[in-house]
Amino acid sequence: DAGVTQSPTHLIKTRGQQVTLRCSPISGHKSVSWYQQVLGQGPQFIFQYYEKEERGRGNFPDRFSARQFPNYSSELNVNALLLGDSALYLCASSLDPGRGAYEQYFGPGTRLTVT
Amino acid sequence: TQLLEQSPQFLSIQEGENLTVYCNSSSVFSSLQWYRQEPGEGPVLLVTVVTGGEVKKLKRLTFQFGDARKDSSLHITAAQTGDTGLYLCAGEGTGRRALTFGSGTRLQVQP
Repeated sequence: DAGVTQSPTHLIKTRGQQVTLRCSPISGHKSVSWYQQVLGQGPQFIFQYYEKEERGRGNFPDRFSARQFPNYSSELNVNALLLGDSALYLCASSLDPGRGAYEQYFGPGTRLTVT
Repeated sequence: TQLLEQSPQFLSIQEGENLTVYCNSSSVFSSLQWYRQEPGEGPVLLVTVVTGGEVKKLKRLTFQFGDARKDSSLHITAAQTGDTGLYLCAGEGTGRRALTFGSGTRLQVQP
């Protein structure tokens, strides 16, 4: 079975621009979460979606937004890019965030560089 | 805010040596997970521990969850070069089902 897929793999943007990152979860998984991983640090939680509804939001500015589609894929949008937004953006999928231990399976990430 | 502190941050050892990585917090977690991450890739789930005092083994890796569910350790026996990577612990907080990650332990196993 295919794992979590993310696109694009790499992206270079200029300050002030907008970017959209895409994620497809593992088949059968209905929850998608987004994380930001700055070089040398652990991932930081941005959003969680389940059944197209936002279930959680981390401590990120309103420039960050996301949505989940009926097929459970998801997009993360970042507006007015800053240099500090340069990071590896990770998408993780899970079965049902409401039951059992919360095991998440990560995609390979999208490396965003803001110049 | 729940925080997880990992130690050591960096570890360089010779093949065949044993090592332990620690993950500590002042907060209680519903579950705790360990991941390994290779450069340029996403974290790969190694194990999930749920019950206080729980011990799980994965070949040469032994994971333990503290009795109070605030801390965890990862012990590797007879390290191999293939164990090289970034080891991350992540706790599932109460209430919100998102993972809080530690900053990671970068392990380098020399041949």
